[in-house]
Amino acid sequence: LAKTTQPISMDSYEGQEVNITCSHNNIATNDYITWYQQFPSQGPRFIIQGYKTKVTNEVASLFIPADRKSSTLSLPRVSLSDTAVYYCLVALYNQGGKLIFGQGTELSVKP
Amino acid sequence: GAVVSQHPSWVICKSGTSVKIECRSLDFQATTMFWYRQFPKQSLMLMATSNEGSKATYEQGVEKDKFLINHASLTLSTLTVTSAHPEDSSFYICSARDARGGGGTEAFFGQGTRLTVV
Repeated sequence: LAKTTQPISMDSYEGQEVNITCSHNNIATNDYITWYQQFPSQGPRFIIQGYKTKVTNEVASLFIPADRKSSTLSLPRVSLSDTAVYYCLVALYNQGGKLIFGQGTELSVKP
Repeated sequence: GAVVSQHPSWVICKSGTSVKIECRSLDFQATTMFWYRQFPKQSLMLMATSNEGSKATYEQGVEKDKFLINHASLTLSTLTVTSAHPEDSSFYICSARDARGGGGTEAFFGQGTRLTVV
C-alpha cells in the first residue's frame, strides 16, 4: 500500500502562502494523489486531486513532479479559517479508490 | 460538489445495545462506500470497504460480526455496531465514490456520527 509521509504540524500567518509537501514513494502507476481538509468533529472535505504535473482549482494548487513520489499542496493567502488538519492520500486504483489516512498535517494560521 | 449524508449526527446508547448508522449519497450513485473510525486527536482508520450488492471487505483487526455493514443499494450503506461497549465510543465517518469513473473519481465524506456508549 502506498504510505504517505507529511509534516505533523505547520504554523503560518494570515495572508501567507502555505505549501505542504507529502512523500509517497510507493505510489503505483494508476494511483491518484488527493488532499483533504478536516475540521474537528467533521468529515474530511475534498480539496484537490491530481495524477501528474500541476492541478489548480479555486482553493488550492497541487504540484506533482514527474516521478510522482511526492506532491505539494499550495494554499494561497491563508486565513484563520484554514486552520485544520490536511491529509495527503493516495487513492488506490486497484482497490476501488480506497483511501488510507496517514497522520495528516495540523496547520495553524495565526493573525 | 457531491453530497454524502450520515444519520444520525450523534447518538448515545447503553452498553450491550446495537446502533445503526446510515450513509447516503444524495446526488450520485455510490458503487463503493468506505467506513472509518476516528478517535480523538487521531487520524481516520479504515474499517471496511463495501461494494453495492456484495459483502463488505473488512480491514485487519476489525470484527465483522461486531460491525455489520450492508450496502444494499447504490445510494445507501449502513453500519451497525452490535452489542456496543464503551470502547466503541468514537467518531464514525463514511465515504462514498462512484468507482465507475475510474481512479480519478474523488471520494466524498459524510459529516460523521459521534457514538457514545454509556
